[in-house]
Amino acid sequence: KQEVTQIPAALSVPEGENLVLNCSFTDSAIYNLQWFRQDPGKGLTSLLLIQSSQREQTSGRLNASLDKSSGRSTLYIAASQPGDSATYLCAVEQGGSEKLVFGKGTKLTVNP
Amino acid sequence: NAGVTQTPKFQVLKTGQSMTLQCAQDMNHEYMSWYRQDPGMGLRLIHYSVGAGITDQGEVPNGYNVSRSTTEDFPLRLLSAAPSQTSVYFCASSSVGGRQYFGPGTRLTVL
Repeated sequence: KQEVTQIPAALSVPEGENLVLNCSFTDSAIYNLQWFRQDPGKGLTSLLLIQSSQREQTSGRLNASLDKSSGRSTLYIAASQPGDSATYLCAVEQGGSEKLVFGKGTKLTVNP
Repeated sequence: NAGVTQTPKFQVLKTGQSMTLQCAQDMNHEYMSWYRQDPGMGLRLIHYSVGAGITDQGEVPNGYNVSRSTTEDFPLRLLSAAPSQTSVYFCASSSVGGRQYFGPGTRLTVL
């Protein structure tokens, strides 16, 4: 059974810092991996989608990498801002099933 | 596009009552799914559908029923509500292999 782990569970950084969020998964036979953002009391917003054949994806100040063989993904946030404060969730899709298995998230606080 | 919409936003039920959570999408996505989110448990898949007329169970299907008569709509029915079903429910949709789009959620309390 696929298990997704996110470390750390919570992270607090000063504004302007570059930071890395980690995601690991136990079964490397994934179809793709997505990073989501969730603000308190809100739904999830997809930030980046990495197909299993890709190594990384970039969107603005966000860069996500994928190493399938080691079962790891990282989300790099450059020059963090208070508006980046949210919970970040990693999810993997198995074999084209469209079913996502989620990690429990990293709660990020960026202090002004 | 409205994206994925869910109604109601909040609901309080008594044990044993039934209700339907509504989900609709206007992006012509084939795939739709329901998740529940609980503190310490993360998001877990309840039921999903790969197209109109096709549904299947996810990780935690007991106590829930779904049907998909149109591409746009994917309602979730609670047959006889229990306190263990107190949770936040999210509906999502995607095209095959694409990003998943989530609705704003329904916060359900069962007394």
